[in-house]
Amino acid sequence: DAKTTQPPSMDCAEGRAANLPCNHSTISGNEYVYWYRQIHSQGPQYIIHGLKNNETNEMASLIITEDRKSSTLILPHATLRDTAVYYCIVSEDTGRRALTFGSGTRLQVQP
Amino acid sequence: DAGVTQSPTHLIKTRGQQVTLRCSPISGHKSVSWYQQVLGQGPQFIFQYYEKEERGRGNFPDRFSARQFPNYSSELNVNALLLGDSALYLCASSSTGFGYTFGSGTRLTVV
Repeated sequence: DAKTTQPPSMDCAEGRAANLPCNHSTISGNEYVYWYRQIHSQGPQYIIHGLKNNETNEMASLIITEDRKSSTLILPHATLRDTAVYYCIVSEDTGRRALTFGSGTRLQVQP
Repeated sequence: DAGVTQSPTHLIKTRGQQVTLRCSPISGHKSVSWYQQVLGQGPQFIFQYYEKEERGRGNFPDRFSARQFPNYSSELNVNALLLGDSALYLCASSSTGFGYTFGSGTRLTVV
């Protein structure tokens, strides 16, 4: 699986949009971009995934650049409950391949 | 529907002992994966099972073993425990679609 690079930490004011970047310059054509988050002492939680088109769900939006070498996860109105470690992962689909987690970005939402 | 359930939630063992951790996947999910998360790091892949067959193994010693049962539940066994095995052990299940659902984990402390 391709390697990802994320900033180690970010701060965001409550109510503002949180934009979390991820670089995945070696992504291959059949690899998806997944985002998970892990709130302290809980298991990781799936947020969103995409291949090449931008995606939106009730939790977040995912913007993937045209060359697919980077992406941005957007939490449109961050709340204190969004404080967590966010992981960007690239992987083929099927649900049968293991996920390779990096160190992620620790997002701290400030009141 | 119940999510991924893991038992026990917490466990304290002595060096040299053996431990068995259990995981029940979401109903209908045939793939189960195990991850180890040491404090301050992202989860590291240990094993993946699909339809009761091992489909992947991470870089862990032979002291770690696992199996999947006909009902798709799974056990992770660790023999000859070391202090360094202290970690949060996470189980995740998936269907052939996208995304993994993680359990809340088993916190293993080796003393």
